[in-house]
Formats: sequence, structure tokens, C-alpha cells
Amino acid sequence: GAVVSQHPSWVICKSGTSVKIECRSLDFQATTMFWYRQFPKQSLMLMATSNEGSKATYEQGVEKDKFLINHASLTLSTLTVTSAHPEDSSFYICSARDREPWEQYFGPGTRLTVT
Amino acid sequence: GQNIDQPTEMTATEGAIVQINCTYQTSGFNGLFWYQQHAGEAPTFLSYNVLDGLEEKGRFSSFLSRSKGYSYLLLKELQMKDSASYLCAAMDSNYQLIWGAGTKLIIKP
Repeated sequence: GAVVSQHPSWVICKSGTSVKIECRSLDFQATTMFWYRQFPKQSLMLMATSNEGSKATYEQGVEKDKFLINHASLTLSTLTVTSAHPEDSSFYICSARDREPWEQYFGPGTRLTVT
Repeated sequence: GQNIDQPTEMTATEGAIVQINCTYQTSGFNGLFWYQQHAGEAPTFLSYNVLDGLEEKGRFSSFLSRSKGYSYLLLKELQMKDSASYLCAAMDSNYQLIWGAGTKLIIKP
């Protein structure tokens, strides 16, 4: 099956610093990648959708200057949380899919804690 | 608007059968997905239905009725490891997934 990796799996950073999370599709070309955030005991919240080589489309309420997304190749997307604050502490999950089949395959997630 | 409804929580007994229902309203429809998510982990893909009917995959089956905007996930011979949240998601006309809030399934011995 399709494999998506995510790095790091967990990170602790100080308030005001920036953190970069990588998402890679290992055995397929990810024409579209998605970034989600999930707070404890809550559902997935889509943050943004990115297609390779184009700018990400952000969901309403998600600050694009704070959450920088780059999808430079068909196998790699990055999410940078800039000037992180404690309220940004969450579980960040990426997923990827090719054009068809349509199922999204999820990375293992990155647990971010901002102190 | 677009909406997915599924029960918040269900409880079942080890070895039994449980059916998790999902109703959806989307702008266009390109299929219905079920994912399993264990606590603290990312979701894993279970099934995809785009045509009406039942798709069986081992102990798990998924059903779709497009005319009713309805799907269910059927889990047979429940095992303790099946304790997880089950997420229903419908794909709209833009091929975007609209997610339900998830159903937490608790399995008791």
C-alpha cells in the first residue's frame, strides 16, 4: 500500500520560534497533499490543500502567513509554523493522494508542543 | 451546506457485530470513505464506496446508498484492537473530503 512519512514525529519548541514539518510520499506521486490539525478528542480539521508546483489553498480561518506550506515536488510537502505560540500546540497530520485512486493516505502525524 | 453526521460514540462486545451509520449532504458526490483512527495516531484507510451496494473486506464491510445519502461500516467478530474512532468522509464535486466528527467505538470484553 501507499506509504506517507512525516518528520519529525514530535517536537518541542519555545514560543516565538519556527518549526518545519516534512511530509513525503514514499512509493507514489502525490499530486495533492493535505495538512490537517487535530486537537485532543476532536475531529480532523483541514488546514490547507496543496498541489505540486502551485500555491496552497488555505481553509477559512487559517493564517497563511503563519502556516507556510511548500509543495515543491511530487513527493515532498513542508509545513512551517512560524512564530509558534502555545495555542499552536497540536497534532499535525499530512495526507497525500494521486489523481486516482482517490483515497488519501496519511502520514503518522507530528505532535507539536510549544512551551 | 455540506454536512456529515455519525454517532459520537458506540459500545459493543468482543466477538459481536456493530454497524456505524453515516449520513451525508455534499455539493456533488464522488465517493464515501471510511477511516480508522486509534488514539494518538493518524487515520488509516479502510474503504471507499462510489457505487451503491455492499463492499466486503475481511471482517469489515461498507455499504452505500447514494439516493439516501447514507453509508454504514459493519464490523464483524469484534476484537479489542478494533477500539478506535471511525471517520466517515464524503468526497464532493471538487474531489475534496468532507469529514465527519468520528464515532468512538468502545469494545468491552
